Amino acid sequence: AQSVSQHNHHVILSEAASLELGCNYSYGGTVNLFWYVQYPGQHLQLLLKYFSGDPLVKGIKGFEAEFIKSKFSFNLRKPSVQWSDTAEYFCAVNARATTGNQFYFGTGTSLTVIP
Amino acid sequence: DAGVTQSPTHLIKTRGQHVTLRCSPISGHKSVSWYQQVLGQGPQFIFQYYEKEERGRGNFPDRFSARQFPNYSSELNVNALLLGDSALYLCASSLSWPGPSYEQYFGPGTRLTVT
Repeated sequence: AQSVSQHNHHVILSEAASLELGCNYSYGGTVNLFWYVQYPGQHLQLLLKYFSGDPLVKGIKGFEAEFIKSKFSFNLRKPSVQWSDTAEYFCAVNARATTGNQFYFGTGTSLTVIP
Repeated sequence: DAGVTQSPTHLIKTRGQHVTLRCSPISGHKSVSWYQQVLGQGPQFIFQYYEKEERGRGNFPDRFSARQFPNYSSELNVNALLLGDSALYLCASSLSWPGPSYEQYFGPGTRLTVT
């Protein structure tokens, strides 16, 4: 079965620290990749997406992610986190399957940034 | 602009009953997807509809069904409810699909409790 793995379940950082959240997926075909964020009390919203082209994609609020096809990875990074980045982060994969279009989400990483 | 709206907000049902959840996409959006999110996990894909046709189906039993109406709103139906169906049900809409402009906007969800 296809799956998305997020290795870090809970990350605690001080403000200005660098962030990297891991995401690996298991699917051998063509994929579209996403990172979503859910701030406390808010809906899921898109941080960034990769469809094709430059494997380094930039999103909102200074986030970026790198698609490494050989490693089936799409890690999220931010050079300097802020307190307002405290949220739940989800990696997601969109792929075609015999049952049509499919979306797979990871279990999420809870990020707490300490002022 | 109004975002994705879902109704009802909360719902309590008894095992064996049937439930209908409703979703109104953002104006102009033609694709609607449904997800189930259990506490502590990422969203699990149930269905995608685009232009009123089913485009993808996740690994859920036939008790789950959905449809999209001519105005692009959607209903998710669940028959013979089980305790394990208790979850947050999310609806997401997008302007188009597939393609690099594909971006899902999530609603606030419907919290279903089965007793």
